[in-house]
Amino acid sequence: DQQVKQNSPSLSVQEGRISILNCDYTNSMFDYFLWYKKYPAEGPTFLISISSIKDKNEDGRFTVFLNKSAKHLSLHIVPSQPGDSAVYFCAASAAGSSNTGKLIFGQGTTLQVKP
Amino acid sequence: ETGVTQSPTHLIKTRGQQVTLRCSSQSGHNTVSWYQQALGQGPQFIFQYYREEENGRGNFPPRFSGLQFPNYSSELNVNALELDDSALYLCASSRDRKNTEAFFGQGTRLTVV
Repeated sequence: DQQVKQNSPSLSVQEGRISILNCDYTNSMFDYFLWYKKYPAEGPTFLISISSIKDKNEDGRFTVFLNKSAKHLSLHIVPSQPGDSAVYFCAASAAGSSNTGKLIFGQGTTLQVKP
Repeated sequence: ETGVTQSPTHLIKTRGQQVTLRCSSQSGHNTVSWYQQALGQGPQFIFQYYREEENGRGNFPPRFSGLQFPNYSSELNVNALELDDSALYLCASSRDRKNTEAFFGQGTRLTVV
């Protein structure tokens, strides 16, 4: 049961254009969402997060949008740069009695930004 | 530089053996979580430790166990290794149990032959 899905395995964009990475989830208990970037031979690097009480969070070139009714979030990168080429994971966590910050990850989307 | 380091970076073990993977968290981070990432997949939650006690577990058998120490280091132990245990093992540390900003190490690539 894949609770967090990234349906696009890969995405290719031109440098300077916008990159939009999408993520869908099924568990309505998820209340916190994160995006990570991963280069080969490195661990995931935290990019940006959003709480379910918000619908948008912005940090420099990165903006995350959350649509709770559609159970959908997206990461916008603008302008895209060649150094953004990496695998991007979305992750979600749910409040629970154990208060465990268990992160459920999507399968990842490989972004290639062409010069 | 996340301040989270894992050792070793690569490891080859034989089926049936036991392995211990290590993680050193950032100072002040009371929470450490371990994840398994198979090729082409996202990381899967194994378990979380908070102040040296297990605080949540994913769908992994009991042969996966862990420890967290007062000096912000932790271990993942896997007994009776199986071929399917071959994966990248990641630890992540954060200040709170909610993992509002979890920092990952570079991972240990385990190959079981």
